[in-house]
Amino acid sequence: QVTLNESGPALVKPTQTLTLTCTFSGFSLNTRGVSVSWIRQPPGKALEWLALIDWDDDRYYSTSLKTGLTISKDTSRNQVVLTMTNVDPVDTATYYCARIRHMDTGKYFDSWGQGTLVTVSS
Amino acid sequence: DIQMTQSPSSVSASVGDRVTITCRASQDIDSWLAWYQQKPGKAPKLLIEAASSLQTGVPSRFSGGGSGTDFTLTISSLQPEDFATYYCQQANRVPLTFGGGTKVEIK
Repeated sequence: QVTLNESGPALVKPTQTLTLTCTFSGFSLNTRGVSVSWIRQPPGKALEWLALIDWDDDRYYSTSLKTGLTISKDTSRNQVVLTMTNVDPVDTATYYCARIRHMDTGKYFDSWGQGTLVTVSS
Repeated sequence: DIQMTQSPSSVSASVGDRVTITCRASQDIDSWLAWYQQKPGKAPKLLIEAASSLQTGVPSRFSGGGSGTDFTLTISSLQPEDFATYYCQQANRVPLTFGGGTKVEIK
């Protein structure tokens, strides 16, 4: 059974750095083709893809946000970490992590975490 | 980046109605398209991949079609549990992108 669980602060101040952790089970990020992404959703708005890291440690980022984002993985702990620097109130959103089963057969998010709401406010 | 445009942004329908949602990609994505269903307070759920391939357990009243730049999601006979927001996503290349969503509401 595949599970993903996001964790991190519920409240951060503007200009601070946000660090979110995705802890997963039921699959390995050492398996060829597998990747994990971060996706966010501001309240009442649409989904926005942020970043992806794959089994080979290749990393991809949103074009509009990439200067402030870093994604990394710790395969021994089954975790993927996203850091976002210099946050702003517009970064207030529910942040999800999600798995792509195999990058070569389509970059579809077949399993999602429950999401964590992050509010950026002073 | 590939832009994904969904229409309509919302639709009011009754139980038993047929509902069709469209999604247009700004460039050819072949059949690399997914549809997700999201209910309030919940994570999205993958319904369809490869434009028309239903995930295991998804009712057959859901169907997907299209290729290239134009795609559709059809619910043949709307059920009470289908009232939700639906998103398309291009799975062709990174950066991955979603449509703006279509909210299916009760008439």
